[in-house]
Amino acid sequence: DAKTTQPPSMDCAEGRAANLPCNHSTISGNEYVYWYRQIHSQGPQYIIHGLKNNETNEMASLIITEDRKSSTLILPHATLRDTAVYYCIVESLRSSNTGKLIFGQGTTLQVKP
Amino acid sequence: KAGVTQTPRYLIKTRGQQVTLSCSPISGHRSVSWYQQTPGQGLQFLFEYFSETQRNKGNFPGRFSGRQFSNSRSEMNVSTLELGDSALYLCASSLGRAVTDTQYFGPGTRLTVL
Repeated sequence: DAKTTQPPSMDCAEGRAANLPCNHSTISGNEYVYWYRQIHSQGPQYIIHGLKNNETNEMASLIITEDRKSSTLILPHATLRDTAVYYCIVESLRSSNTGKLIFGQGTTLQVKP
Repeated sequence: KAGVTQTPRYLIKTRGQQVTLSCSPISGHRSVSWYQQTPGQGLQFLFEYFSETQRNKGNFPGRFSGRQFSNSRSEMNVSTLELGDSALYLCASSLGRAVTDTQYFGPGTRLTVL
């Protein structure tokens, strides 16, 4: 499975866009990029996922570079409630991966007033 | 639609005891995965059940076991508890039809072993 690299921590001003980077330089063609977040001591929350194209939903946008070696999660207008640990996960379509997400250390995003 | 529920939310046990945790998936979801989260090791995959069968397993000792019932509810059991088993135990459910089906997590059970 591809390994991901994320900065350990980032700050963002409330109301501004939060751009969280993820490096996955060894990603292969059949691997998706997933983003989850975990607010302190709660269960992880699904945010968004994508394969090649950029994706947007009501929570965030996911920008994947053309070579797919990195991606950026964008929270367009960060609020204090977006303070959390954000995990970038690369998931393979291999059947041995059913039900299995491999979490790294993630990025702790601190949104400040 | 109700989310994933886990019971109990908090549990205190002593070394050597055993514990059973319960997870009720989102209605219609047939896959349940279990994870352990500790400050030192982060979030680690324990196992996944689909249609009452264990379909995938992580690298945990045999003291950690699970099962799934016909209504897709799942239980996880840890026998002969050790201090290091203190952790947040999370379950997640998904449709289970494809590897990339989104997993939705419950709030977790906080287990403390004394």
